[in-house]
Amino acid sequence: AQTVTQSQPEMSVQEAETVTLSCTYDTSESDYYLFWYKQPPSRQMILVIRQEAYKQQNATENRFSVNFQKAAKSFSLKISDSQLGDAAMYFCAYRSKGSQGNLIFGKGTKLSVKP
Amino acid sequence: KAGVTQTPRYLIKTRGQQVTLSCSPISGHRSVSWYQQTPGQGLQFLFEYFSETQRNKGNFPGRFSGRQFSNSRSEMNVSTLELGDSALYLCASSLVDEQYFGPGTRLTVT
Repeated sequence: AQTVTQSQPEMSVQEAETVTLSCTYDTSESDYYLFWYKQPPSRQMILVIRQEAYKQQNATENRFSVNFQKAAKSFSLKISDSQLGDAAMYFCAYRSKGSQGNLIFGKGTKLSVKP
Repeated sequence: KAGVTQTPRYLIKTRGQQVTLSCSPISGHRSVSWYQQTPGQGLQFLFEYFSETQRNKGNFPGRFSGRQFSNSRSEMNVSTLELGDSALYLCASSLVDEQYFGPGTRLTVT
């Protein structure tokens, strides 16, 4: 069975600085998707970024980028120029290519942004 | 396009009762998935429906059930509620690979 581990329960960053959130996963599959979701205090889960395992190029969405290391089974999220609105819980999630509905989530990292 | 909507947003029920939660996916999305979020267990997959058929199921007891209608709207039902069923229930819809979540229904069982 696949597992997702986020080893940092809480992180803090100064506004305008850069922070990296860690995620590792375990799978025997070769083709899959990885996602980062953000859940602010409003509780609405928002998709931040996705990565397809067969694509070597790291995904980027504006200030958010990932460092995908397939061999190491690592998928970290880098947030540049942190803003107060980035404060939230961040969840790393895995989905098998053949499993349409089943996202497997890590326990989350609570990110605080200091003004 | 309107996002995923869930009703009701908040619900308080008593142990032993049953509850039905509703989810309307993004227009054109045919897949709807349900997740339970609790502080202790985190986010856990309940089930997924596609074209009115349950396509995938998580490891939850039979008290948790769901269905999907021809317009892709989905409902989940929990019978014989237990205190441990108190949670945020999230619904997500998907067109292809990415899942988009609704705001959730906060269920409190007393």
